[in-house]
Amino acid sequence: QVQLVQSGAEVKKPGSSVKVSCKASGGSFRNYAISWVRQAPGQGLEWMGAVIPLFGTSSYAQKFQDRVTIVADESANTAYMEVTSLRSEDTAVYYCAKDGDVEDSTLYSYGMDVWGQGTKITVSS
Amino acid sequence: DIVMTQSPLSLPVTPGEPASISCRSNQSLLDRNGYKYLEWYVQKPGKSPQLLIYLASNRASGVPDRFSGSGSGTDFTLKITRVEAEDVGVYYCMQALQSPATFGQGTKVDIK
Repeated sequence: QVQLVQSGAEVKKPGSSVKVSCKASGGSFRNYAISWVRQAPGQGLEWMGAVIPLFGTSSYAQKFQDRVTIVADESANTAYMEVTSLRSEDTAVYYCAKDGDVEDSTLYSYGMDVWGQGTKITVSS
Repeated sequence: DIVMTQSPLSLPVTPGEPASISCRSNQSLLDRNGYKYLEWYVQKPGKSPQLLIYLASNRASGVPDRFSGSGSGTDFTLKITRVEAEDVGVYYCMQALQSPATFGQGTKVDIK
């Protein structure tokens, strides 16, 4: 049974950076994708990007392409999501989620079936 | 990006009664293998989202059978046969056919 545990809440200044971790336990970390989804206060869900440890590849929503980096450390069973040049609009809860399984070198989508508990990032001067 | 539109945005329900949420995409979510890449999630108050349905009509593990998903290439429906008090929350559809994945606005389900 896969579980995802995220790092704790942070308060950041505008213009700074934040790195959120997502540690996986159970299952085979390298054989599934990890997506990151954020939710601004009182708003809906927004997919930011994903990483597939087995392939060593990351993909991003164009909106986040320039300021977000998503990587995976297989040795630590941990995915990381970094946002640079933070602004007040980045204030949100950030979630990681297991998103699909790799079988025979192909990623199969079965939905985001395991979610982390969320990490609240507040950007304020 | 594919645009997802849900209706209604608010749905007061009576326990024991059925409920239905509609989700429409502005492009077909049907891939060449016949799979429809539409997912449903619910976010209960103060909790992380949880997966209900994937590939339009497949219930995720542990999801009660009162939840069902159906739909064509662009029009999808989530149905709850008999709503229970624990079903309150915000329901989102999401397309997973094309990157970036995109969500509907959400439908808030609460008890009348």
